Amino acid sequence: RKEVEQDPGPFNVPEGATVAFNCTYSNSASQSFFWYRQDCRKEPKLLMSVYSSGNEDGRFTAQLNRASQYISLLIRDSKLSDSATYLCVVRSGSARQLTFGSGTQLTVLP
Amino acid sequence: NAGVTQTPKFRVLKTGQSMTLLCAQDMNHEYMYWYRQDPGMGLRLIHYSVGEGTTAKGEVPDGYNVSRLKKQNFLLGLESAAPSQTSVYFCASTDGAYYEQYFGPGTRLTVT
Repeated sequence: RKEVEQDPGPFNVPEGATVAFNCTYSNSASQSFFWYRQDCRKEPKLLMSVYSSGNEDGRFTAQLNRASQYISLLIRDSKLSDSATYLCVVRSGSARQLTFGSGTQLTVLP
Repeated sequence: NAGVTQTPKFRVLKTGQSMTLLCAQDMNHEYMYWYRQDPGMGLRLIHYSVGEGTTAKGEVPDGYNVSRLKKQNFLLGLESAAPSQTSVYFCASTDGAYYEQYFGPGTRLTVT
């Protein structure tokens, strides 16, 4: 079983739609959680950290459920510029090591 | 600030050849990492460093060596390239206080 699992998609949605991505992690001792965004043929960049209380950044909302070992990302009012691959990322050990999911591909259609 | 830079951006090697990938960061970060990214596999950690002069193995270290002689540089070496090492290689760095990793633009390596 992979340490971090995501639905690979692709998700094809119209502009203005709301889309949700899910992610599960296997290590119950995981300490920090993130969503990274990766554009085609580019490097990953941090989108947002995920906190136990849930957090929101504009159109993006991230949720963490430690009991179910589940992380989610909700994107409201999708824009064409949201088209990218979204990576679920977990920190479980020391040395600031991160474990990446394989990513969920999103295409927002006009 | 340039952030994290990687050289070269592209490279084609023949099986058995060697090469070194260079990562440089100008953010005075202690921690540096080398990942490889393959389709459907996500990013996998090859080696990492928690400070100048230190290195440690990650998830997929076989066939690679690393060195961190200067705090700002992290080198990844392939001693005898194999087709299985065809991949996109990303370098990243982070500081001690926050866990965001900053990535370089990547090196696309093809081994024929």
